[in-house]
Amino acid sequence: DTEVTQTPKHLVMGMTNKKSLKCEQHMGHRAMYWYKQKAKKPPELMFVYSYEKLSINESVPSRFSPECPNSSLLNLHLHALQPEDSALYLCASSQDPSRGLETQYFGPGTRLLVL
Amino acid sequence: QQQVKQSPQSLIVQKGGISIINCAYENTAFDYFPWYQQFPGKGPALLIAIRPDVSEKKEGRFTISFNKSAKQFSLHIMDSQPGDSATYFCAASILSGYSTLTFGKGTMLLVSP
Repeated sequence: DTEVTQTPKHLVMGMTNKKSLKCEQHMGHRAMYWYKQKAKKPPELMFVYSYEKLSINESVPSRFSPECPNSSLLNLHLHALQPEDSALYLCASSQDPSRGLETQYFGPGTRLLVL
Repeated sequence: QQQVKQSPQSLIVQKGGISIINCAYENTAFDYFPWYQQFPGKGPALLIAIRPDVSEKKEGRFTISFNKSAKQFSLHIMDSQPGDSATYFCAASILSGYSTLTFGKGTMLLVSP
């Protein structure tokens, strides 16, 4: 099973709202990632969690707050977003960052619209 | 500077033809080169990947050719089908330590019936 699941599939929120994106994998992967993807652009890395600890934050604004409650779950908490934050948010996982194993598996994404 | 340059930006191929997408990289430390396929509204899916110790890898209709000295790699899709119409991203990473990916800008492939 190489599935990464994400909920919700679509999300519309106002600039004052607080919402959360969820990601789950049951492949035993120890690295999990959040990416942001704009239309016709490649995914942009936002955060990397390795063994449930935040290891990379690509200078993401504080209105995005990641959380990794356990090795299977990854959340992205959203607060006071701007319309330009509207995008497809992708979660991915890979097996073992300490061994540099390479394959990242992506979820289907959450399509976010900020009004 | 860690960059991966991908071309063409878009490609139209007739059904049954060969689709070729090219990528070039600068960082010689890269040692893993995957290709991802993405359909509209979906996440990228790993299609095929290669390491620099081989010059070619084939999986079904998909082949990666790798030229280490030129720092270039390419994806060939043989007998292209309308169902192959998607956006293709090449990427590169360094296997030691964290496997973050550097993506190319993507190629939109349209296979006409």
